[in-house]
Amino acid sequence: AQSVTQLGSHVSVSEGALVLLRCNYSSSVPPYLFWYVQYPNQGLQLLLKYTSAATLVKGINGFEAEFKKSETSFHLTKPSAHMSDAAEYFCAVSYAGNNRKLIWGLGTSLAVNP
Amino acid sequence: DADVTQTPRNRITKTGKRIMLECSQTKGHDRMYWYRQDPGLGLRLIYYSFDVKDINKGEISDGYSVSRQAQAKFSLSLESAIPNQTALYFCATSGEGGNTEAFFGQGTRLTVV
Repeated sequence: AQSVTQLGSHVSVSEGALVLLRCNYSSSVPPYLFWYVQYPNQGLQLLLKYTSAATLVKGINGFEAEFKKSETSFHLTKPSAHMSDAAEYFCAVSYAGNNRKLIWGLGTSLAVNP
Repeated sequence: DADVTQTPRNRITKTGKRIMLECSQTKGHDRMYWYRQDPGLGLRLIYYSFDVKDINKGEISDGYSVSRQAQAKFSLSLESAIPNQTALYFCATSGEGGNTEAFFGQGTRLTVV
């Protein structure tokens, strides 16, 4: 069965430091991969997605993620954390076909320290 | 206006009461979803609908029911609320295909006392 694993339920970085949020998936078919962000008291919004084009995907707010098929990973990075990046981040996977739903990771809470 | 609107945003209700959470979307998508979010458990799918005549149970549908009144409207009901249904509830909509983005409402924070 397909699944998504986010390593680390809580990540803390200093302002200006590299952000790395890890996501691994299990799948027997080519996946579509997504990162969503949830700011406090808000719904989820799309950060970026991989849909079989370029393996390095750039998203909003300076985030990017690289699809590595050999490692079944889609880790999210940002070179320099900002206080406004503090939020919950969710990785999700889906597959081709009209009946495919998103499969969600459990989320990673990112704290940014001054 | 928001793409996906949920009402109410916050609700406190008593055990045993019936409550309805409403969702409407302006994206023109056929697919709509109800999720529940609990700390440490991520998002869990309650029900989903791929069109007005199609309703499907998700992974945690017990104790919940839904109604798809129109393409744009999808409501979630708790027939007899219980305390462990206290959670943050999200409605979402998406287009067809696995590569399309899901658009979420702001959420409804439900407390059952």
